[in-house]
Amino acid sequence: DTGVSQDPRHKITKRGQNVTFRCDPISEHNRLYWYRQTLGQGPEFLTYFQNEAQLEKSRLLSDRFSAERPKGSFSTLEIQRTEQGDSAMYLCASSSKGTQYFGPGTRLLVL
Amino acid sequence: EDKVVQSPLSLVVHEGDTVTLNCSYEVTNFRSLLWYKQEKKAPTFLFMLTSSGIEKKSGRLSSILDKKELFSILNITATQTGDSAVYLCAVDYSGGSNYKLTFGKGTLLTVNP
Repeated sequence: DTGVSQDPRHKITKRGQNVTFRCDPISEHNRLYWYRQTLGQGPEFLTYFQNEAQLEKSRLLSDRFSAERPKGSFSTLEIQRTEQGDSAMYLCASSSKGTQYFGPGTRLLVL
Repeated sequence: EDKVVQSPLSLVVHEGDTVTLNCSYEVTNFRSLLWYKQEKKAPTFLFMLTSSGIEKKSGRLSSILDKKELFSILNITATQTGDSAVYLCAVDYSGGSNYKLTFGKGTLLTVNP
């Protein structure tokens, strides 16, 4: 399968714990995006990488959130001191230009 | 304020019906409009529209963009139960090289047998 992959697919954690998600984009895509989706809403943009450079961060991305793409290939999204409001689907997408292709998402539940 | 508005928010039809889903947007620096289908997982790409009046077609699905009136429609003919999903409209108006997308809330389509 040469699509976007994400790991884990599901994560349940207790409030206050740290969690890390991984995204592997389509191999030839240099752009990588993270979005968050809550029930009944469309995905909301969180952050964007072009190669290894993080070029834009949404105001939704509080100080507890950090994302990296160290070698311009896979990316990680870490949430520190999780809160119940962080419960959502975290989607990763990649593109070479305009059309973004999404991974299966990581569904996070914070208890 | 919502920059991308989809209507209706939900729709229930019978197999064989034809449906039209709407997406209006109010942005500057418009670059493109994309339609995605989302079942119980990630959005899957359907169409990308950049020019007015040019219909894009894939099987029973088609879409067209009106840049003057700032809207797009997605048509599905002869609906099947497998068409049941949330249909998302997204607009790229970010400028620069980031191509980030702003999504509407989606239209939940239910096709009953």
